[in-house]
Amino acid sequence: GENVEQHPSTLSVQEGDSAVIKCTYSDSASNYFPWYKQELGKGPQLIIDIRSNVGEKKDQRIAVTLNKTAKHFSLHITETQPEDSAVYFCAASPGPRGGSYIPTFGRGTSLIVHP
Amino acid sequence: GAVVSQHPSWVICKSGTSVKIECRSLDFQATTMFWYRQFPKQSLMLMATSNEGSKATYEQGVEKDKFLINHASLTLSTLTVTSAHPEDSSFYICRVPDRSYGYTFGSGTRLTVV
Repeated sequence: GENVEQHPSTLSVQEGDSAVIKCTYSDSASNYFPWYKQELGKGPQLIIDIRSNVGEKKDQRIAVTLNKTAKHFSLHITETQPEDSAVYFCAASPGPRGGSYIPTFGRGTSLIVHP
Repeated sequence: GAVVSQHPSWVICKSGTSVKIECRSLDFQATTMFWYRQFPKQSLMLMATSNEGSKATYEQGVEKDKFLINHASLTLSTLTVTSAHPEDSSFYICRVPDRSYGYTFGSGTRLTVV
């Protein structure tokens, strides 16, 4: 099955700095890579995703890059703000199983943005 | 994404009792929904796939008789933790597909068994 490694487990930055979280995956059949932000006591929220037919996607301060050859993908947050503080999860999903995508999640990165 | 409602957001129950958690898809008819469990500071573990009108598909190691899943309609799936014990205390989250193969998570239910 798929195995997703996520690093670092904790990331502490100053407000305004950039933050980068990296993930690797093992299953070359994976073709959908979402990123989730989870605030304390809440369910994860999708913040950006990328499919294997593109190498980069950007949405305002957030960008994701994908290197299919190396099987790794990264989340980039620029101009970080204190409200970006949360746990971020990457995930990788092969084609649908029984009609549904079932992603494998990384272990999460706790991002702390200091004012 | 889909609009998902999960209730309750938190519940405290006594050992040996059962607790029901509801997950509703408010704007999308979902033939499948997913239930996850999350321990503090850990990742999301898929427990089971809830299938409308048929039996749920459980992941390896998940006790079917303890975690009863019912998906009686296209908009509602329930997870019942039966005969709960303190080790069942966790954060339970449902996930609902939407039209574009994206998924939306519920807000989660914090279960504490005392």
